[in-house]
Amino acid sequence: DAGITQSPRHKVTETGTPVTLRCHQTENHRYMYWYRQDPGHGLRLIHYSYGVKDTDKGEVSDGYSVSRSKTEDFLLTLESATSSQTSVYFCAISDTETVAQHFGDGTRLSIL
Amino acid sequence: ELKVEQNPLFLSMQEGKNYTIYCNYSTTSDRLYWYRQDPGKSLESLFVLLSNGAVKQEGRLMASLDTKARLSTLHITAAVHDLSATYFCAVETNAGKSTFGDGTTLTVKP
Repeated sequence: DAGITQSPRHKVTETGTPVTLRCHQTENHRYMYWYRQDPGHGLRLIHYSYGVKDTDKGEVSDGYSVSRSKTEDFLLTLESATSSQTSVYFCAISDTETVAQHFGDGTRLSIL
Repeated sequence: ELKVEQNPLFLSMQEGKNYTIYCNYSTTSDRLYWYRQDPGKSLESLFVLLSNGAVKQEGRLMASLDTKARLSTLHITAAVHDLSATYFCAVETNAGKSTFGDGTTLTVKP
């Protein structure tokens, strides 16, 4: 299995609080991604990174920010969580543009 | 904006039967991936299709890509219960970005 770890695996928090999710990889892959998965919507890309300090927005980036200061870590931050951000969040990695992505185990985030 | 449509979204089939899942997409791309997700689990890669006419097979599953028609198919032969899962296609556009379909939830009944 690709070495990719998401933390925390589960989190419950209140509306308006900041939340940071961490994705850590041991594969030295260039690309890292954050997705959210909601019933009826498949996976939707939030942000992705194509190198250290190189990030770009996905289709559902509003309300989220990311940072990648090291190859191995990609952080997703909800500055002020809202109930609409309750979801399962997946991190994924890949080393080139022509291979499948490897996914982490997901973080189940509930915002009350 | 790239749109990826899978159909059907839900599929219930009997063991031993054959069926095909379709993945249509709206813009030019020659890179398409199929993933499997078991309930409550992560996604795992099944197939990587990188050119027009590409065909990949693994066990009872076979995937193909027609870039001119912007269509990929995932064919299931003689379904067994272990194939019950949700299957996603994902179309890659640029810089490694992929757009996923909404998934096809397959239930194989005895």
